Amino acid sequence: EVQLVESGGGLVQPGGSLRLSCAASGFTFSSYVMRWVRQAPGKGLEWVSSVGADGGNTFYGDSVKGRFSISRDNSKNTLYLQLNSLRVEDTAVYYCAKGSSGYYNYIEYWGQGALVTVSS
Amino acid sequence: EIVLTQSPGTLSLSPGERATLSCRASQSVSRSSLAWYQQKTGQTPTLLIYGISSRATGIPDRFSGSGSGTDFTLTISRLEPEDFAVYYCHQYCSSPLTFGGGTKVEIK
Repeated sequence: EVQLVESGGGLVQPGGSLRLSCAASGFTFSSYVMRWVRQAPGKGLEWVSSVGADGGNTFYGDSVKGRFSISRDNSKNTLYLQLNSLRVEDTAVYYCAKGSSGYYNYIEYWGQGALVTVSS
Repeated sequence: EIVLTQSPGTLSLSPGERATLSCRASQSVSRSSLAWYQQKTGQTPTLLIYGISSRATGIPDRFSGSGSGTDFTLTISRLEPEDFAVYYCHQYCSSPLTFGGGTKVEIK
């Protein structure tokens, strides 16, 4: 059974930093693209970032480019998202998500999410 | 960027009725890279459909996807009580990956 468990969320002041982690199990972590998707309170889904299976290729949405950094440790089956220069509008539930197999891969599984609140 | 526009915003139906949800893309979605997700209140999204029309594992056959190019449809043939939720379409053929704004299917 695929499991994705996020941690590291919390309350942070504007301009602050936070690191989210996602512990993966139930599949060969090192073989799949992984993603972060966020959902602001009462709003829709927004793709944040993706990382290739070997960690070599990373991609970001325009709203977080230059402030967030995605990485993975395949030896620990863990995905990370470093959030810097946080803004009030970054307040959201951040979901860790597993990509399907194939070059054009959809989100196959989602974690339960980690709430990040940016407020003074 | 491919913008996905979902309509209607809210669909009010009774159990047993047919639901038809639309997702229109601002440009052609290539490689059949269109998926649908269901999100119940307070829960994580779950995959329903990928590749426009392929049902994910465990998804009942009352859910079906269709379309091509820029126009896509999710159909729920007969609504069950557990189907009342928000539905999102998602394109994964080009970066940035994008989602539609969602259609809420509510009990009439």
